[in-house]
Amino acid sequence: QKEVEQNSGPLSVPEGAIASLNCTYSDRGSQSFFWYRQYSGKSPELIMSIYSNGDKEDGRFTAQLNKASQYVSLLIRDSQPSDSATYLCAVHRAGNQFYFGTGTSLTVIP
Amino acid sequence: NAGVTQTPKFRILKIGQSMTLQCTQDMNHNYMYWYRQDPGMGLKLIYYSVGAGITDKGEVPNGYNVSRSTTEDFPLRLELAAPSQTSVYFCASSQEGLAGSGELFFGEGSRLTVL
Repeated sequence: QKEVEQNSGPLSVPEGAIASLNCTYSDRGSQSFFWYRQYSGKSPELIMSIYSNGDKEDGRFTAQLNKASQYVSLLIRDSQPSDSATYLCAVHRAGNQFYFGTGTSLTVIP
Repeated sequence: NAGVTQTPKFRILKIGQSMTLQCTQDMNHNYMYWYRQDPGMGLKLIYYSVGAGITDKGEVPNGYNVSRSTTEDFPLRLELAAPSQTSVYFCASSQEGLAGSGELFFGEGSRLTVL
């Protein structure tokens, strides 16, 4: 079983719609959860972090965590063409190890 | 504001050659990591270090070696390069897990091709 699993997509949404990205993880001892955005040919950059159950909002982005279901999601409201990228879910385990999913490719259609 | 610096950015190797990817960070982070990313895939952890003199294997360590003689530098050594090592390599660093945000700071990546 993979440490972190994501639907690879591709996911296409029209401009202005809500994009929903999902991630599951296998280790119940995982402590922190992150969403990174990666544009083609670039390095990943952090867009959201979440540490406790529930929702965390930052501008157009909302991260949701459900530790009982071992599930993390990212919602992007009012999607823009500039949001077109690959979104990587990352899980932070004890010992400061980070594990990444394979990423979900998002395309926002103008 | 250098952050994490990797060199070289591009390199072509012949099968069986060896090389070192350099990584240095100026943020005084104790934790450093090497990842590889194959096309259309996520990041796979190769090696990581929790401080000078301490290194440990990640998910895919075979064919690689690392050292950490200083806080700033974390070079990745490829011995006897194979086509399976063709990939983009990312070095990253982070603050201590409990004290920091857990955010990883990435270098720009090194694209390696083995022919």
